[in-house]
Amino acid sequence: GESVGLHLPTLSVQEGDNSIINCAYSNSASDYFIWYKQESGKGPQFIIDIRSNMDKRQGQRVTVLLNKTVKHLSLQIAATQPGDSAVYFCAENGGDKLIFGTGTRLQVFP
Amino acid sequence: DGGITQSPKYLFRKEGQNVTLSCEQNLNHDAMYWYRQDPGQGLRLIYYSQIVNDFQKGDIAEGYSVSREKKESFPLTVTSAQKNPTAFYLCASSWAGLYGYTFGSGTRLTVV
Repeated sequence: GESVGLHLPTLSVQEGDNSIINCAYSNSASDYFIWYKQESGKGPQFIIDIRSNMDKRQGQRVTVLLNKTVKHLSLQIAATQPGDSAVYFCAENGGDKLIFGTGTRLQVFP
Repeated sequence: DGGITQSPKYLFRKEGQNVTLSCEQNLNHDAMYWYRQDPGQGLRLIYYSQIVNDFQKGDIAEGYSVSREKKESFPLTVTSAQKNPTAFYLCASSWAGLYGYTFGSGTRLTVV
């Protein structure tokens, strides 16, 4: 069946360092992917998306990389700040709905 | 401002009672979704609706019911048949097709 998973449940980084959050997906036909950020007690917020005809997309301090060969998605956060501490979810297009991964908690320490 | 509103933010329910969680959006989105999130866990799909007067079960629909009488509204009822309803409930909406979701701020339901 279709599934989206994450390699690391918790990632701890020092403030100012770059963060990389990884996601594996199993449906090779997926053509749209999204990253969300969820702060404690709040709803997820859209960060960045990418379509399958691209392998890289950049936003403000964030970059999403898509490797269709190995079905891997990653979110890179440059110069990680305390405000980046949250749970990050990847999601893939599952036809009539998104399929979410289990999430990675990013902890930023001074 | 356009957005998606969930109410109430906190809700307490006695065992055996039904409760209804509200979700309203003014984004003119076609599709709406309900997710359940348990502490430290991911998102599990309860129900979703692509158009008015139509909805589909998600992965954990048992003990829940929905209606979609208006494009803007997608209320979720947690029935007494749901044995473990304490959770954080999230509503989302989207355009049809390959687009991301806009999420509400959630309702935290606690059974007392």
